[in-house]
Amino acid sequence: GAVVSQHPSWVICKSGTSVKIECRSLDFQATTMFWYRQFPKQSLMLMATSNEGSKATYEQGVEKDKFLINHASLTLSTLTVTSAHPEDSSFYICSATGTSGRYNEQFFGPGTRLTVL
Amino acid sequence: AQTVTQSQPEMSVQEAETVTLSCTYDTSENNYYLFWYKQPPSRQMILVIRQEAYKQQNATENRFSVNFQKAAKSFSLKISDSQLGDTAMYFCAFMKPTGTASKLTFGTGTRLQVTL
Repeated sequence: GAVVSQHPSWVICKSGTSVKIECRSLDFQATTMFWYRQFPKQSLMLMATSNEGSKATYEQGVEKDKFLINHASLTLSTLTVTSAHPEDSSFYICSATGTSGRYNEQFFGPGTRLTVL
Repeated sequence: AQTVTQSQPEMSVQEAETVTLSCTYDTSENNYYLFWYKQPPSRQMILVIRQEAYKQQNATENRFSVNFQKAAKSFSLKISDSQLGDTAMYFCAFMKPTGTASKLTFGTGTRLQVTL
């Protein structure tokens, strides 16, 4: 199957700083990427959908100024958590669809654990 | 909006036995996809099985099979010959196809523990 990577796998930052998480499709072109947030022992909640070269579409209740998403190429999307606070601590997962797999099949990255102190 | 319900927060099964995980969903759509994903302790999401709503035949993937009841809006997952490596969170998910940006709606998950 197609491979999606995320970097970093875990990050610790101080409150008030910004953190960037990268999501890359390694062996296919990702026309669409999705960003999810997962709290401990809970399900995945979709934060936003991004298409290459377009502005991201955010789900209701997600602060677009806090969670900046850029999908600048067909293999890379980034999520920047701006002015992070402890409540932003969570597990962030990206997925991608594109030129691999069956129709609309999403390939998931391994996730990034963010801890804000 | 679509909703996905998994009513079993936790389940346990002995190795080599069979277990069934339940999932119900609510939608007014006629064309959609249903999925079961596995999230082991590594937290990597892994696609277990996929079902197209227009297909009457239940999907199977080796030891994994589904019982898709479209009228009842039910989509259960049966794991046969359970293995220790099946220990994981299992999420049922719904997708309404809307082009390349089709979104997944996940259920709350069922934590499956396979014991010796």
